[in-house]
Amino acid sequence: EPEVTQTPSHQVTQMGQEVILRCVPISNHLYFYWYRQILGQKVEFLVSFYNNEISEKSEIFDDQFSVERPDGSNFTLKIRSTKLEDSAMYFCASSVSGQGETFFGQGTRLTVV
Amino acid sequence: GENVEQHPSTLSVQEGDSAVIKCTYSDSASNYFPWYKQELGKRPQLIIDIRSNVGEKKDQRIAVTLNKTAKHFSLHITETQPEDSAVYFCAASNYNQGGKLIFGQGTELSVKP
Repeated sequence: EPEVTQTPSHQVTQMGQEVILRCVPISNHLYFYWYRQILGQKVEFLVSFYNNEISEKSEIFDDQFSVERPDGSNFTLKIRSTKLEDSAMYFCASSVSGQGETFFGQGTRLTVV
Repeated sequence: GENVEQHPSTLSVQEGDSAVIKCTYSDSASNYFPWYKQELGKRPQLIIDIRSNVGEKKDQRIAVTLNKTAKHFSLHITETQPEDSAVYFCAASNYNQGGKLIFGQGTELSVKP
């Protein structure tokens, strides 16, 4: 069964450093998303991406965040200057049409020290 | 802004009993309501969903009901089993606007043998 894959599974970074989280959405999906989940809390929407541009972003997704689809398969989330409060599980997700099931990757646990 | 409230935050039942989790949403434009199950350290996985043109949907031991007028929806699990133990999240979305999911706070369900 096709699935969303994310790398790395766990990343530890120093505060102030840049990190790039990588995702390969399901191949025929057109809508891509990033969500984050702080330990023990709910899943929060960060950004949605369609037709090579951001279609919506939340208040969390400030100027420190950016997304990119550098080629036909990868979808990345970059955090320019990480803060302690960026520590969370980051989930990539994709959907065929934005009108049905959203499939989640296994997540990248980001720890900022 | 858009918000989804979920109750209870924790629920403990005996094996074989039923479990009910309730959610209320704020955005009247929401038209798609999925439920996700998340086991510790894993990705959220869709267990059932319902669209706004349907009042109830059932899949084996799991059912979801939707009351559009009151803007609330509920998950019902019958004949619970220990393997049902997990965190359950409700979510709301407007699939005409790219499928962004707004999640509830989660319910930690514990099924005791």
